[in-house]
Amino acid sequence: QSVLTQPPSVSGAPGQRVTISCTGSSSNIGAGYDVHWYQQLPGTAPKLLIYGNSNRPSGVPDRFSGSKSGTSASLAITGLQAEDEADYYCQSYDSSLSEDVFGTGTKVTVL
Amino acid sequence: EVQLVESGGGLGQPGGSLRLSCAASGFTFRNYVMSWVRQAPGKGLEWVSAITNSGGRTYYADSVKGRFTISRDNSKNTLFLEMNSLRAEDTAVYYCVKKGVGDAFDVWGQGTMVTVSS
Repeated sequence: QSVLTQPPSVSGAPGQRVTISCTGSSSNIGAGYDVHWYQQLPGTAPKLLIYGNSNRPSGVPDRFSGSKSGTSASLAITGLQAEDEADYYCQSYDSSLSEDVFGTGTKVTVL
Repeated sequence: EVQLVESGGGLGQPGGSLRLSCAASGFTFRNYVMSWVRQAPGKGLEWVSAITNSGGRTYYADSVKGRFTISRDNSKNTLFLEMNSLRAEDTAVYYCVKKGVGDAFDVWGQGTMVTVSS
C-alpha cells in the first residue's frame, strides 16, 4: 500500500498537455522532502525524469516539468508525443516509515 | 559510461535463498549510497533496501526485514542482496539503483528477475 497516490491513467492527443498528480501527506511531501519522477518505457528499467521537485537531468526534454505544493506534486508533459507513452512514478521519503516511497504509478496513453 | 549490471536472479524455492549481485562501473562507487528496488509482475515500484557509501549502515523495507541482507564490496565495485526465507510475494524484477543527484535514484540497472515457486 503506497503512501503516495497517483491516478492510474491519463491520456491525451499528440501535442496536448497532460498532468499527473502525486498526493502524499505531512510525513513525506508535506514534511518538505523532495519529489522525484521516473519514466518507465514498456519492458525497460525506470529512468530519472525530474529530481528535486522541478529539475531535469541532462538529456530530458523541457517538455517535462515538475512542481510541488503542500502535500502534493505534479508532473506536466506539454506537446505530448507518441514516445511519451509509458508508466510514470513519483518518489519521495517518508519520515514515519523511515524509507523511500514510490507513488502508485500512472500509465500515460497517447491517443 | 555509468552502468549497473545485475546478476544472480532465477528460480528460487519457497523458504530458499538467492544472492543477487550488481557490478558498478563508470563512477566512484564508494562515494554513493546504493539501493535495491523491486517490481512485481504488472505492479509498481517498491523500495527494498539501502546501504550507505561505506557500508556502515543498512536499511530495509518491513516486507524483507530479517530475511534480506544488503552488503557491498567497495574494492570490487559490487553491491549484493542476500535473500533468505524466500516467499512467493518476493517474485519480482530486482533493480540495483544508485542514489545521486538531489538524492534521487539517478542510475538504474537493467534488472534481474527473481521467481519464487516450487
